[in-house]
Order: sequence, then C-alpha cells, then structure tokens
Amino acid sequence: DGGITQSPKYLFRKEGQNVTLSCEQNLNHDAMYWYRQDPGQGLRLIYYSQIVNDFQKGDIAEGYSVSREKKESFPLTVTSAQKNPTAFYLCASSIDRDSSQYFGPGTRLTVT
Amino acid sequence: KQEVTQIPAALSVPEGENLVLNCSFTDSAIYNLQWFRQDPGKGLTSLLLIQSSQREQTSGRLNASLDKSSGRSTLYIAASQPGDSATYLCAVRGSVETSGSRLTFGEGTQLTVNP
Repeated sequence: DGGITQSPKYLFRKEGQNVTLSCEQNLNHDAMYWYRQDPGQGLRLIYYSQIVNDFQKGDIAEGYSVSREKKESFPLTVTSAQKNPTAFYLCASSIDRDSSQYFGPGTRLTVT
Repeated sequence: KQEVTQIPAALSVPEGENLVLNCSFTDSAIYNLQWFRQDPGKGLTSLLLIQSSQREQTSGRLNASLDKSSGRSTLYIAASQPGDSATYLCAVRGSVETSGSRLTFGEGTQLTVNP
C-alpha cells in the first residue's frame, strides 16, 4: 500500500526533553511538509522540503528542527526551546510543490 | 500575508439537506485552492483541487466553485448523509513569488449531519 505513515500516534514527554516525530512516505514524492494543528486554529506550516538535503522554514519554525537525508523520510524534532509543544502534528507530501498534498494520520504530542 | 476565513465555524443539518460551506481569502493571487475533510483525531483527506484558471470542480455529491477575483470559494454538498459529518478545511496555495507556493489553511467548518 502506498501512503504516508507517522509514528507514534500518541507521544508523551516531560518538559525539557527533545522528542522526534517520524514521517515516512512510499509515494515517491519529492516534497514533504510538517504542520501543527491546535484547537480552534487552522494548520500552520512548521518546515517543508522540496528535495532531498534541502528544507525551508515555515511560519512557526522556532523550537523545531528537521532533516531530509532520504527522499522517503522527513523527521521532525521538537526541542526544549519550543514554548508550547503540546499539539497535533501532521506530515504531508506531494509530487512537487504545486501538486495536491497527501496527509499522514498525525501524531498527538503531549508535554507535561 | 494571505488570510483564509471559513464561515460558518460549525453547522448542524438534518440528513438529506443540501448545504454550502464558504471560504474567503484576502489575496487573490493564488495558484490553486483545495478542500479537505478531517475526521476527529485523523489526518486530512483531499476532496477537490481547483486551479486558479478553473471555476469549479465536481466529485460525486461534492461541487466546489472558485471566484478568484472576489476571493471566494464554496463547497456544495448535495443530499447530505451522516457519514459526511467531519471538519471541512479550505486551503489556498499562493504563487511562488508571494508565498513560496505554500498552503494557507482556514480554521475549518465542523459539519454534523443528523439522521
């Protein structure tokens, strides 16, 4: 089956710890994205990558980091510098930056 | 900066009713517009994609229209069913020059279709 997988579905961390969220796709898409969703707000772009070994900051990149060493993988690290990390995180991919985006099932991160 | 607004924020209708969801955007220089569906606690599913040169797109009981000059799009759902209950999100893709071709999302309309 082709698609985007995110793991884990639920993640719990203590404040001050870094945590890495996984995103893998087997759609052979060049572009990948990370979004954050909070209650009552739309999705906000954290980081995006249009090609391997290249990525750009989105609208709310502070406190986050990414890497794109392989075409199929785009992990997101939530660092201790992120002031309010508890949220629902969604990963997406597309053939290129202008095509329809396909979303993974999301990871709900809770930091206490 | 592009802003996307969706009205209403929530909508409850009886089964079988035809309904319209609205999306407005502030910058008409868009590349395309996409409607998504999101079930509670899940990712987004793409419903319809309208290119800036198109006026509408149809898929089954869904019809989306785009009026770029007025900054508006509507999603029409015919003969609604309880299975249509979900949050519907509108997203606008800007031009490379204005926004790096990124998507800007509205906050969504939460639809409940009652049996």
